Amino acid sequence: GENVEQHPSTLSVQEGDSAVIKCTYSDSASNYFPWYKQELGKGPQLIIDIRSNVGEKKDQRIAVTLNKTAKHFSLHITETQPEDSAVYFCAASQGNTGNQFYFGTGTSLTVIP
Amino acid sequence: NAGVMQNPRHLVRRRGQEARLRCSPMKGHSHVYWYRQLPEEGLKFMVYLQKENIIDESGMPKERFSAEFPKEGPSILRIQQVVRGDSAAYFCASSPPPGGSEQYFGPGTRLTVT
Repeated sequence: GENVEQHPSTLSVQEGDSAVIKCTYSDSASNYFPWYKQELGKGPQLIIDIRSNVGEKKDQRIAVTLNKTAKHFSLHITETQPEDSAVYFCAASQGNTGNQFYFGTGTSLTVIP
Repeated sequence: NAGVMQNPRHLVRRRGQEARLRCSPMKGHSHVYWYRQLPEEGLKFMVYLQKENIIDESGMPKERFSAEFPKEGPSILRIQQVVRGDSAAYFCASSPPPGGSEQYFGPGTRLTVT
């Protein structure tokens, strides 16, 4: 089965700096890679996703890059703000309805004002 | 458009009791997934259901756990004879009709077994 690894497990940055979270996956059949933000006591919220036919996708301060050859993908948050503080999870799936998501173990991001 | 709804948000059960967790998918979604999250860990897939059908239950323990998604009403995850190791957050997600890869999560039910 698929195995998703995520690093780092914790990350602290100063407000305004950038944050980068990296994930690797093992199954070359995976072709859909969402990122979720989870605030304390809440469910995961989809913030951005990328499919394997695209190398990079950007949405305002958030961007995701994908390297299919190396089987890794990364989340980039620029100009971080205190409200970005949360746990971020990457996931991989085969991209069809019904395909389960394989999640990384999460990165706890703290943005220091 | 209301999001995925789960209830109860918090559930306390003594060892040996039954736990019933409910999930109502987003409007227009007929695909439901259940995941379990242990403290300090990522989410682990349990089961995928469509209306009246279990499609994939490969992540669900063989004993004590069951799930259903009836024609009418919410999806139910049922845990019989709960043990302390069942304490976790249980999340439900739903996805749009076939062709949609995205899964949208509810707020979760936090089960505590005493």
